[in-house]
Amino acid sequence: AQTVTQSQPEMSVQEAETVTLSCTYDTSESDYYLFWYKQPPSRQMILVIRQEAYKQQNATENRFSVNFQKAAKSFSLKISDSQLGDAAMYFCAYRRRNYGQNFVFGPGTRLSVLP
Amino acid sequence: ETGVTQTPRHLVMGMTNKKSLKCEQHLGHNAMYWYKQSAKKPLELMFVYNFKEQTENNSVPSRFSPECPNSSHLFLHLHTLQPEDSALYLCASSHYSDSSGNTIYFGEGSWLTVV
Repeated sequence: AQTVTQSQPEMSVQEAETVTLSCTYDTSESDYYLFWYKQPPSRQMILVIRQEAYKQQNATENRFSVNFQKAAKSFSLKISDSQLGDAAMYFCAYRRRNYGQNFVFGPGTRLSVLP
Repeated sequence: ETGVTQTPRHLVMGMTNKKSLKCEQHLGHNAMYWYKQSAKKPLELMFVYNFKEQTENNSVPSRFSPECPNSSHLFLHLHTLQPEDSALYLCASSHYSDSSGNTIYFGEGSWLTVV
């Protein structure tokens, strides 16, 4: 079974600084998707960024970028120029390709942004 | 405004009550999900429906009873709950097929307190 691990329960970053959140996963599949979701205090989960495993290029979305290391099964999220609104729980998630239902989520990392 | 709408946002119920949570998605998806999120626990998948058919039940107690009358609506019927069932219940939806990376979209959640 696939598992997703986030080893940092809590992180903090100074406003305008850069922070990296870690995620590792375990799978025997070669084709899959990886996601980072953000859950702010309002509690609605919002997609931050998505990576397709067959694409070697790391996904970027404005201030958010990932470091996807397929061999190491690592998928970290880098937030540049951190803003107060980035404070939230961040969940890493995995989904096997051609298996639409099976989203596996990590336990989450709570990010605090210090003014 | 969200493509996945959950009602009620907050619910307080006694252990002998019967209540229901409702979810509606306006995204044209055909898969819908119920997740449970409680403090200090990872996101727990409860049920998955594809095209109105239940495809996954993660050993959820029978006091939780899902209903999916069509691809746009999902209910979670609650009866004789326990205080440990108090949690945030998240509804989500996605395409069943592999289109567009098959991102999962979440509602804002229903906060349930069992007294």
